[in-house]
Amino acid sequence: RKEVEQDPGPFNVPEGATVAFNCTYSNSASQSFFWYRQDCRKEPKLLMSVYSSGNEDGRFTAQLNRASQYISLLIRDSKLSDSATYLCVSSGSARQLTFGSGTQLTVLP
Amino acid sequence: DAGITQSPRYKITETGRQVTLMCHQTWSHSYMFWYRQDLGHGLRLIYYSAAADITDKGEVPDGYVVSRSKTENFPLTLESATRSQTSVYFCASSRSGRRDNEQFFGPGTRLTVL
Repeated sequence: RKEVEQDPGPFNVPEGATVAFNCTYSNSASQSFFWYRQDCRKEPKLLMSVYSSGNEDGRFTAQLNRASQYISLLIRDSKLSDSATYLCVSSGSARQLTFGSGTQLTVLP
Repeated sequence: DAGITQSPRYKITETGRQVTLMCHQTWSHSYMFWYRQDLGHGLRLIYYSAAADITDKGEVPDGYVVSRSKTENFPLTLESATRSQTSVYFCASSRSGRRDNEQFFGPGTRLTVL
């Protein structure tokens, strides 16, 4: 079983739609969680950190449920520029990041 | 502001050859990392370094060697390349503060082993 699991998609949504990605992690000792974004053939970039209380950054909302070991990312009012692969990431005490395989999103005009 | 750079960006080599991938960062970040990315596996950690002269294995270290004599450089060497090492390799760095978990990635090196 992978340590971080995501639905690979692809998710194809129209502009303006709301889309949600889910992720589960198996290591209960994981301390920090993130969503990274990766555009085709480019390097991953941090989208946002995920906090237990939930956090929002503009159109993006991330939630963490430690009891269920579950992380989510909600994107509202999708833009064409949101098309990318979204990587769910956990981190332990040694700063090592564990990446999910990614969920591919395509926003259609 | 160069940030973090990798060279070469593309490399084709043959089975059995030694290959070194270079990584250089200008931020003086303490931590540096090497990942490989393959379809179906996502990014997997090969080696990481907490500071100059301190390195440690990640999830998939076999067949790779690293060194870090200077804070800004973290080269990755494939001692005897195999076809299974065909991949995209990303170098990353992060600061050392307790809350500084964000990793900044280089543009990647696409390696093909024939």
